[in-house]
Amino acid sequence: GAVVSQHPSWVICKSGTSVKIECRSLDFQATTMFWYRQFPKQSLMLMATSNEGSKATYEQGVEKDKFLINHASLTLSTLTVTSAHPEDSSFYICSAEFGGNEKLFFGSGTQLSVL
Amino acid sequence: QQQVKQSPQSLIVQKGGIPIINCAYENTAFDYFPWYQQFPGKGPALLIAIRPDVSEKKEGRFTISFNKSAKQFSLHIMDSQPGDSATYFCAASMAGNQFYFGTGTSLTVIP
Repeated sequence: GAVVSQHPSWVICKSGTSVKIECRSLDFQATTMFWYRQFPKQSLMLMATSNEGSKATYEQGVEKDKFLINHASLTLSTLTVTSAHPEDSSFYICSAEFGGNEKLFFGSGTQLSVL
Repeated sequence: QQQVKQSPQSLIVQKGGIPIINCAYENTAFDYFPWYQQFPGKGPALLIAIRPDVSEKKEGRFTISFNKSAKQFSLHIMDSQPGDSATYFCAASMAGNQFYFGTGTSLTVIP
């Protein structure tokens, strides 16, 4: 199946710093990428939909100034958590839609711990 | 509002058993129903998916049963193995615009 690479897999940062997470589709072009947040033993919560070359669409309640999403190319989307605080600690996962046929492939996730 | 309802929350079966995970939806505009498998600390992986024009789809030991009139679909795992122990999510989407996920089922297969 298609491969989505997400980096880093784990990051620890101090409160107030910014963290960038990268999501790459390695063997296909992804017009649309999705960013999710997942708390322990809970489902995936969609944060935003990222479309190449345009502004991301954020879900209700998600601060777009805090979670900056950039989708500058068909193979790369980034999520930057700005001025991170302990409550932002979570597992962040990206996904990309393959071939426009609704097959969704996920990155391996990034565990963010803010001290 | 939960667009896709999933049950049970957790499930324990013996090796060789057939765990069944159920999902229900309300929006008849959904036209794609995938199942994902997630291991701890990893992203979900697409397992199997079905469209509403068929009532069953089988891939290896995994089978989806789909009941369009009841707006329900379920995942069956035949001859379950300890390596199948993971969290399973059902999902639904319409034209791939947005995916709605169930709340997940934690499956444990006892050797």
